[in-house]
This record gives sequence, C-alpha cells and structure tokens, in this order.
Amino acid sequence: QVQLQESGPGLVKPSETLSLTCTVSGGSISSYYWSWIRQPPGKGLEWIGYIFYNGNTNDNPSLKSRVTISVDTSKNQFSLKVSSVTAADTAVYFCARLFYYSGNPILDYWGQGTLVTVSS
Amino acid sequence: DIQMTQSPSSLSASVGDRVTITCRASQSISSYLNWYQHKPGKAPRLLIYAASTLESGVPSRFSGSGSGTDFTLTISSLQPEDFATYCCQQSHTTPWTFGQGTKVEIK
Repeated sequence: QVQLQESGPGLVKPSETLSLTCTVSGGSISSYYWSWIRQPPGKGLEWIGYIFYNGNTNDNPSLKSRVTISVDTSKNQFSLKVSSVTAADTAVYFCARLFYYSGNPILDYWGQGTLVTVSS
Repeated sequence: DIQMTQSPSSLSASVGDRVTITCRASQSISSYLNWYQHKPGKAPRLLIYAASTLESGVPSRFSGSGSGTDFTLTISSLQPEDFATYCCQQSHTTPWTFGQGTKVEIK
C-alpha cells in the first residue's frame, strides 16, 4: 500500500519561501507522477502542480511562477517550494500520487496534509 | 480555468438515507470527473474516477454518473462512516480544478 507523508515547517514568514517534502513509502517513486494540492482555511482544494519522476513538471499558472517542484528518486521523495509567500498561501498542503488510468489523470493516493501558516 | 460548482454545500441526513450530490462544470469535460471523500485530519480518498468507475475497495453504495457538464455522486444508503466532505475534480484540462465540497452531516 502506497503511503505519503508531508513534512516541513508549519510557520513561514511573509516574503520567505515555503518548503515541504513528501516521502513516499510502500512503493517506488519511479514511473509515476506526483502532485501537490492545497486547501486554504474555509476554501476548496487547489491543484498546485505535478512532477514526473524524470523531473518534468506542470504547475498552476495562478501561483504566478512562484512554485518549484523537484524529485529525489534516491530518497523516494519529492518537494515543493513556494517563494514570496503571503497570508494567502496559508493552507493545508497535501501531496498525492497522480496515476493515469486510460488517459484520465487521477489522484489515487494522498498524504494526510500539513498546515502551513504564513505569519510574522 | 474550468469552474466546478457543487451543490449543496452541506446537507444533513440520517443513516440509511439516499444522498445525491451534484457537480457542474463551466464547460464540457467529457467524463474527466473524479470524486473524493475527505475527513478532517485524514488523507482524502479517491472514490470514483472517470465519472462512474468505482475505485478498488470503495463500497458499492457509492456510485457516480454524468458526462459533459453535469455529474452526480450518489450514496444509496448512508452509513455512519460516510459522514465527511465530498468534492469533485475535473482532470480534463490543467489547471485541474475542484468543487468547493459538500459536507454531509448527521441529522
């Protein structure tokens, strides 16, 4: 059973960079896509972006190029960085596996999420 | 971006009730529609993908239907463990987008 676990600081200062890591266990990170999603307090889920194990990425234009997603296959981990954060980036951040089923991308395994608060 | 509108935003129901949640896309997404269940502090769970395909291990009381712009998630007989928030997601076009969620509460 694939399991994902997010880790990283729970508090980030405005204008700084938010950094999170997702550790994958129970399966290899290779041959799959991996994604980040967030949920601001009281709001719906927002897709942030994804990365293929070979490093190819795709991210949500709404974050205005502040997002960097990377992968470390040797550690079975992938990471998220969001630069120049503001209070609007306060959210629960989830990592998930992205699986293509007959051409339909689905988020089939998720971490339980980690709250990141942006505040001075 | 494709907007996903869910209704209702919340509902109260009893164990054994039939529950229906709808999701509407702002443009046609064919059958690229997935449903997730989310409980506080837990990992979201994929229930249904491609509008109507039940994910492995998900009870058969859950079903999905629809195509184009209008979709439905139905729970045929609500169980105690089904009280949660449900959200739809379109995977037709990036950026993939989610509905606002429907919170199913105990009546």
